[in-house]
Amino acid sequence: EAQVTQNPRYLITVTGKKLTVTCSQNMNHEYMSWYRQDPGLGLRQIYYSMNVEVTDKGDVPEGYKVSRKEKRNFPLILESPSPNQTSLYFCASTLGQGATEAFFGQGTRLTVV
Amino acid sequence: AQSVTQLDSHVSVSEGTPVLLRCNYSSSYSPSLFWYVQHPNKGLQLLLKYTSAATLVKGINGFEAEFKKSETSFHLTKPSAHMSDAAEYFCVVEEDSSYKLIFGSGTRLLVRP
Repeated sequence: EAQVTQNPRYLITVTGKKLTVTCSQNMNHEYMSWYRQDPGLGLRQIYYSMNVEVTDKGDVPEGYKVSRKEKRNFPLILESPSPNQTSLYFCASTLGQGATEAFFGQGTRLTVV
Repeated sequence: AQSVTQLDSHVSVSEGTPVLLRCNYSSSYSPSLFWYVQHPNKGLQLLLKYTSAATLVKGINGFEAEFKKSETSFHLTKPSAHMSDAAEYFCVVEEDSSYKLIFGSGTRLLVRP
């Protein structure tokens, strides 16, 4: 089954404790991205990757890092989480090559206390 | 730069009555437009997409949307609401053929029995 898998689905952590949210897709998609969803703001792009070893900042990249060492994986790293990073996070992938439909993971609800 | 405005944060309808969710976009060229739906505690699912073919686009679950360039609108409609349609709906534009998605702030649809 074609899918985007995020882990964990729920995470509560303390300020300053490094964490990683994993994202994996099994569709051989070129383009992957991370969004955060906050009430009344819709989804905003954090980082994106056009292909392996090619990543770039989205609209709200502060406090986040990503890597793309393999085509299927695109982890989101919070080196020193802060309470303002409490949010719902979504990973998405798109085939690229002119195909524009994005497939989303189930989301990760992160709470930083 | 592209942007999307969803004109209603909440819409409430009775089961069996029509649904209209309004969306206006701003784009300097002919954009790719999408509607996504998010059910509680679920990821985002593509309802339909417009990519410069027919201006009336049919999607899943009886939804459709009409692209009106003169009005820069892409409103989502359904002739008869069902209880299972209760969810949050996002109007989305693709930025500059870059695969980056710009989200509206969302419209929460409530369906009354």
